[in-house]
Formats: sequence, structure tokens, C-alpha cells
Amino acid sequence: AQSVAQPEDQVNVAEGNPLTVKCTYSVSGNPYLFWYVQYPNRGLQFLLKYITGDNLVKGSYGFEAEFNKSQTSFHLKKPSALVSDSALYFCAVRVYADSGYSTLTFGKGTMLLVSP
Amino acid sequence: DAGITQSPRHKVTETGTPVTLRCHQTENHRYMYWYRQDPGHGLRLIHYSYGVKDTDKGEVSDGYSVSRSKTEDFLLTLESATSSQTSVYFCAISESTRNTGELFFGEGSRLTVL
Repeated sequence: AQSVAQPEDQVNVAEGNPLTVKCTYSVSGNPYLFWYVQYPNRGLQFLLKYITGDNLVKGSYGFEAEFNKSQTSFHLKKPSALVSDSALYFCAVRVYADSGYSTLTFGKGTMLLVSP
Repeated sequence: DAGITQSPRHKVTETGTPVTLRCHQTENHRYMYWYRQDPGHGLRLIHYSYGVKDTDKGEVSDGYSVSRSKTEDFLLTLESATSSQTSVYFCAISESTRNTGELFFGEGSRLTVL
């Protein structure tokens, strides 16, 4: 089955330090990968996506993600964390149903806590 | 923000009662989705729609039905609610799944089944 895995339930980082939120994928063919962020009591917000091309993808709020085909990973990164980055982060991959239409399959989420 | 409105935003109901959640979009997007979010499970797809009256099952469709009679509205129905359906339900829309496929989400509907 095509899926993504987020191996960490929670990541703690101090403000100003770099952060990494990990994601690995298992898909056949070329993956379309996404990162979303969810603030408390809100819906998910799209951060960035990898379709093809450059392995380093830049997104909203200073986030970027690195696609690594050999390690089947798509880790989310930010050079300098802010307290306001504290939220729940989801990795997702596009999958195709038997209908021929695509949906997104999500990881279980990683809570990022940035301390002052 | 994408024009997606979910209603009701909060609902408490009793086991065995029917419940309908509504998703309304003003973006005229073709594709609509219902996900549920539960701790430890992330988001799981319940049903999706690829056009008016065209729907398909997702990963956790048992106990749920959907209807889409207009482009802008996608209804999720729990015919007889159970406590295991206590969750936060999110509607999402997409302009085209044949392009990049990113989804845009509503604010969620929190359902508690007692």
C-alpha cells in the first residue's frame, strides 16, 4: 500500500535553532508529496509540495523540504524556529484509487513544540 | 483562504441517532473529500466526490454515506451514530486531481456521540 510515515510523535526545539520534522514514503512510481500544518482548533493549511525537479522545495512561512529518492524521505526543515511554529505537522502523498482519481494519504502527524 | 464552510461546527448526539454534516464551497471546485481526524491515526479518508452525483469510498467508509446533488455541497451522513464515530471531521476541496492534487481544508466539525 502507498503510504507515508512520520516516525516522531513530537519534536522539541528551542527558538532560533534549526528544526527538522521527518517523513518517509512508500509509493510506486514518482511520488507527489505534501506538507500541511494544523494550528489548534483549525483546519489543515498547505505548506509546500514536491512534484518534480529540484530536491529542495521552498514553501510558506520560511519552511522548506528536502526530497531524497534514495532514502525515500521528504523531511520538513526550517533554519531558525519560532515559537509561533508550534503546531501539528502532517506529511501526505498522492495516491490513486481504482476509480482513477487521486486522493491524499496522510501520516499520523508530528507535534512540533518550540520553546522560548 | 479557500471558501469552505462546514456545518455544524460542533455537535453532541446520542448513539443510534442520524447525523448529517454539511460542506459548502464557493470555489466551484470539482473534487470534494471527507476526512476524519483521530489521535494516533492522523487523517483518514471517508468518502470523496469527483463530480455531481459521483462519489467513491475511502479508507474508513463503513457507517458513513455521502451525497452530492450540487457542485457546492457535499453531505456526510451517519445513519446511526456510534461512539466510535466521535471525531473531528474535515471537508476538503481540490480543483483538479490530475494536476498536483493539493487539497484545501475547512475548519472542521467536532462530533461527540454519547
